Amino acid sequence: SQTIHQWPATLVQPVGSPLSLECTVEGTSNPNLYWYRQAAGRGLQLLFYSVGIGQISSEVPQNLSASRPQDRQFILSSKKLLLSDSGFYLCAWSVQGAGGYTFGSGTRLTVV
Amino acid sequence: KQEVTQIPAALSVPEGENLVLNCSFTDSAIYNLQWFRQDPGKGLTSLLLIQSSQREQTSGRLNASLDKSSGRSTLYIAASQPGDSATYLCAVSKNNNDMRFGAGTRLTVKP
Repeated sequence: SQTIHQWPATLVQPVGSPLSLECTVEGTSNPNLYWYRQAAGRGLQLLFYSVGIGQISSEVPQNLSASRPQDRQFILSSKKLLLSDSGFYLCAWSVQGAGGYTFGSGTRLTVV
Repeated sequence: KQEVTQIPAALSVPEGENLVLNCSFTDSAIYNLQWFRQDPGKGLTSLLLIQSSQREQTSGRLNASLDKSSGRSTLYIAASQPGDSATYLCAVSKNNNDMRFGAGTRLTVKP
């Protein structure tokens, strides 16, 4: 069966520090991968999606970047965190050409 | 740009009641619609997925309907239980690469 792993679960980082959040999927090949952010009291915002290795689409201009170095690995990064980067970050995957997203357990990021 | 609205924003009901959560979307050219549940501080759990060609899906006490032409979906929960308390999120996708979410309905079921 397919599983999605996201870590760490919580993270507290100072302003200006770098960030790396990792997401991996098991049990499937060539998935679509997504990064969402959920700010406090707000809905989910799509940040990045990827349909293949090295293929990244960005939804909104921001202080973050994403990379997909392997088929089932999706990384969210920042060189210098801002206070406004605080939030709940969720990774998701879907089968290409089919419907339905499966989400990871999320990372709570607090920038102080 | 697709806009997804969920009404009500919050709902409190006594245990055992049947209830309906509403979701509307502005662009009817969707690929699919998915309902999720989110517990506080947790990720999203998929409840039901409705493809654009379908009208409804059922899982246990949950039934979701889709009226694509009017841009509406409802999630019906029968015989609600305290364990159903959570935030329920509706999301629509135009081409399976751009799932857009509503702000959610926060449900509280009182014992």
